[in-house]
Amino acid sequence: EDKVVQSPLSLVVHEGDTVTLNCSYEVTNFRSLLWYKQEKKAPTFLFMLTSSGIEKKSGRLSSILDKKELFSILNITATQTGDSAIYLCAVEDYGGSQGNLIFGKGTKLSVKP
Amino acid sequence: NAGVTQTPKFQVLKTGQSMTLQCAQDMNHEYMSWYRQDPGMGLRLIHYSVGAGITDQGEVPNGYNVSRSTTEDFPLRLLSAAPSQTSVYFCASSYSPAANTEAFFGQGTRLTVV
Repeated sequence: EDKVVQSPLSLVVHEGDTVTLNCSYEVTNFRSLLWYKQEKKAPTFLFMLTSSGIEKKSGRLSSILDKKELFSILNITATQTGDSAIYLCAVEDYGGSQGNLIFGKGTKLSVKP
Repeated sequence: NAGVTQTPKFQVLKTGQSMTLQCAQDMNHEYMSWYRQDPGMGLRLIHYSVGAGITDQGEVPNGYNVSRSTTEDFPLRLLSAAPSQTSVYFCASSYSPAANTEAFFGQGTRLTVV
């Protein structure tokens, strides 16, 4: 059965800390891995990763994919209270002609001032 | 540019009632999907559509119906609401299932079944 596992499920840090969120997957027809940030409402897109070893970066956030070991990490440096959110990892399962997203349960990050 | 629009934002139903959650996108996306999000469960796929006239079941389809008569609209119908369907529902769309593109999400519908 295809699955995406995120760890830790929750994390509490202080402003200025650096955090690493993990996402491992077992998906038969892997196409891409996506990271989303969810605050109060809809998930918002952060990164899409398709190739191993190529870091994607946006400000203090960065992510990398390892297709051999089947995992990805999301790093956040110099965390701020505005980074508090649930971070979702999803893998696009390209089975047949459909591409469905399989989500992990999310990591709830709380950044304390 | 409205993106993905879901209505209503909140709804309370009594057990056994039926209702339709609306989802519309104005980006000419082929692929649309419905997810439910429950505490500790992440997002789970209910139904999806790869184009007008084509729908298929996801991970948790029981108790829900969908149709896709136009590219823009993808309504989700609850046939006979049950307390187990209390959840937050998200509609999402993407350009094509055959392309590496991000999914855009609606703002969600919080449904409570009493």
